[in-house]
Amino acid sequence: DIQLTQSPSFLSASVGDRVTITCRASQGISSYLAWYQQKPGKAPKLLIYAASTLQSGVPSRFSGSGSGTEFTLTISSLQPEDFATYYCQQVNSYLWTFGQGTKVEIK
Amino acid sequence: EVQLVESGGGLVQPGGSLRLSCAASGFTFSTYWMHWVRQAPGKGLVWVSHINSDGSGATYADSVKGRFTISRDNAKNTLYLQMNSLRAEDTAVYYCARGGRERSLDIWGQGTMVTVSS
Repeated sequence: DIQLTQSPSFLSASVGDRVTITCRASQGISSYLAWYQQKPGKAPKLLIYAASTLQSGVPSRFSGSGSGTEFTLTISSLQPEDFATYYCQQVNSYLWTFGQGTKVEIK
Repeated sequence: EVQLVESGGGLVQPGGSLRLSCAASGFTFSTYWMHWVRQAPGKGLVWVSHINSDGSGATYADSVKGRFTISRDNAKNTLYLQMNSLRAEDTAVYYCARGGRERSLDIWGQGTMVTVSS
């Protein structure tokens, strides 16, 4: 099975900071890589799919990139509502996998 | 409004069974793959199962294979998860989610809590 490892697991940042989260796959994966945001007590929200395509309604400060085994989620200017936990997700052979999550907290 | 609403969670003893439901509205349910994803208290997201649009094919995480069964009733716009032989480690919030573009999960329900304890 393909494993996804996110780094860092925890990130402390200030409003206005540029933030980058990395998701590494244990082997090369297709472009079926998505990113989600989850706030406490709430369901996850899709941010990006196909590694770099922004989901409708998601602010343009979010962007995704990468291919093969390394992918990144970037928030260009962190806003107060962006403090949350972020997950990457991939699918291979009809088995979906999530990364362990990256918690973004206020510095 | 596109919406998924889960129900059926609760407290069950180890070894017991529970059936979760997910009612879909606001979209053509019968044309979408559907998923169940769970999250243990304080932990990350774990994918559980998926079913294709007509219900003819399904896949499962190894941790639930042989114990859980996903199904759907397209006439009732409802997704199900039959959970048997429940264990303490199955304790989690269970979310249903719609399969989106490029194998993403684009719409999520609010979740239903399952607690396995004696």
